[in-house]
Amino acid sequence: NAGVTQTPKFQVLKTGQSMTLQCAQDMNHEYMSWYRQDPGMGLRLIHYSVGAGITDQGEVPNGYNVSRSTTEDFPLRLLSAAPSQTSVYFCASSYTGVEKLFFGSGTQLSVL
Amino acid sequence: AQSVTQLDSQVPVFEEAPVELRCNYSSSVSVYLFWYVQYPNQGLQLLLKYLSGSTLVESINGFEAEFNKSQTSFHLRKPSVHISDTAEYFCALTTSGTYKYIFGTGTRLKVLA
Repeated sequence: NAGVTQTPKFQVLKTGQSMTLQCAQDMNHEYMSWYRQDPGMGLRLIHYSVGAGITDQGEVPNGYNVSRSTTEDFPLRLLSAAPSQTSVYFCASSYTGVEKLFFGSGTQLSVL
Repeated sequence: AQSVTQLDSQVPVFEEAPVELRCNYSSSVSVYLFWYVQYPNQGLQLLLKYLSGSTLVESINGFEAEFNKSQTSFHLRKPSVHISDTAEYFCALTTSGTYKYIFGTGTRLKVLA
């Protein structure tokens, strides 16, 4: 089992560039989510999805877009990167949304 | 609104000593509580969880946590730590129907030889 797979592991962007962070899971989980981790702030929820075609905002959604066209994939898009988006990003999934979260290994993003 | 507070940002402890990592929460509705562990350069892994039933929950590697509703706490304890327990520990909660997990700011446990 691959579990939750995130790509890329590292990325450097210039301010204003766009990019997509990929997340895929092979566990047939309905619930998927994106978090950012910043020093001293823990993990903060960006967006989440409870199934294909259904997405909703978390605590810090500004500057990020998501879509869920399939159960397996939940990409996170940065439309115009800003230095404030420098962070480590984690994708997580679970079957029901109130059970154990399975995390990917993270993407370290630097915006210059 | 719900919140999770981990007051200790860092906890140094000697090997084989006991440790307690504190977690307090705030919620007006029933909660599900979790402890996750993050080893360097890795994602988070579930350590243990409280969903319902017995208020004392245990992990396979010797950690335990007790859900205390009156004190709104879910402290993590281990009677004897190992060097390999060095990691960052996150307390988290969610509630039924919200699909939103709230994480604490984390506690870095450093086990000293």
